[in-house]
Amino acid sequence: AQKVTQAQTEISVVEKEDVTLDCVYETRDTTYYLFWYKQPPSGELVFLIRRNSFDEQNEISGRYSWNFQKSTSSFNFTITASQVVDSAVYFCALSEPSNTGNQFYFGTGTSLTVIP
Amino acid sequence: DSGVTQTPKHLITATGQRVTLRCSPRSGDLSVYWYQQSLDQGLQFLIQYYNGEERAKGNILERFSAQQFPDLHSELNLSSLELGDSALYFCASSPSGGANTEAFFGQGTRLTVV
Repeated sequence: AQKVTQAQTEISVVEKEDVTLDCVYETRDTTYYLFWYKQPPSGELVFLIRRNSFDEQNEISGRYSWNFQKSTSSFNFTITASQVVDSAVYFCALSEPSNTGNQFYFGTGTSLTVIP
Repeated sequence: DSGVTQTPKHLITATGQRVTLRCSPRSGDLSVYWYQQSLDQGLQFLIQYYNGEERAKGNILERFSAQQFPDLHSELNLSSLELGDSALYFCASSPSGGANTEAFFGQGTRLTVV
């Protein structure tokens, strides 16, 4: 079963519009960690944010904000006043504490295109 | 710039061949991860090392192997290459390799098998 689901495969918005990227996760652990990464056309994966399962406070960083809701197992990402430079593939990921090492479970990504 | 260096950036090779991908982690990071990104499979975890020891193993084929050296750089060896191995291979590093720490990714090595 997929641990992280990003149902939106592709989204297009016009510059300056707000856009929300959805992420739904599945875990049996009470402690876990959620991440968002950005993959611009150049190809590298850029870390955006980490959120701990015990901290449900929403976070804002400039035009970016994240809404973490344990009740719905969601960790959504909103870009306010989108810009062309926001065009990228965005990945949500989950990690679960383990005594046998660690891995990040990535969703399939949402490709965002911001049209000028 | 994440501080993680991967070489080479691009690699074109023939089926049946063997290649080695190299990764230098960020200064101070002890853990290295390898991921494969292909169009149909997405980002697939291959393997994790911590301070030279294998810590976690994912969907890594038997034809693939990896290691982390005493200087903490890591190599991913891919042998008997098939067309389906064509993908972007990422290395990532983190200080402790724990679940509570983000990993920083290199720019990837794009492997094309022809």
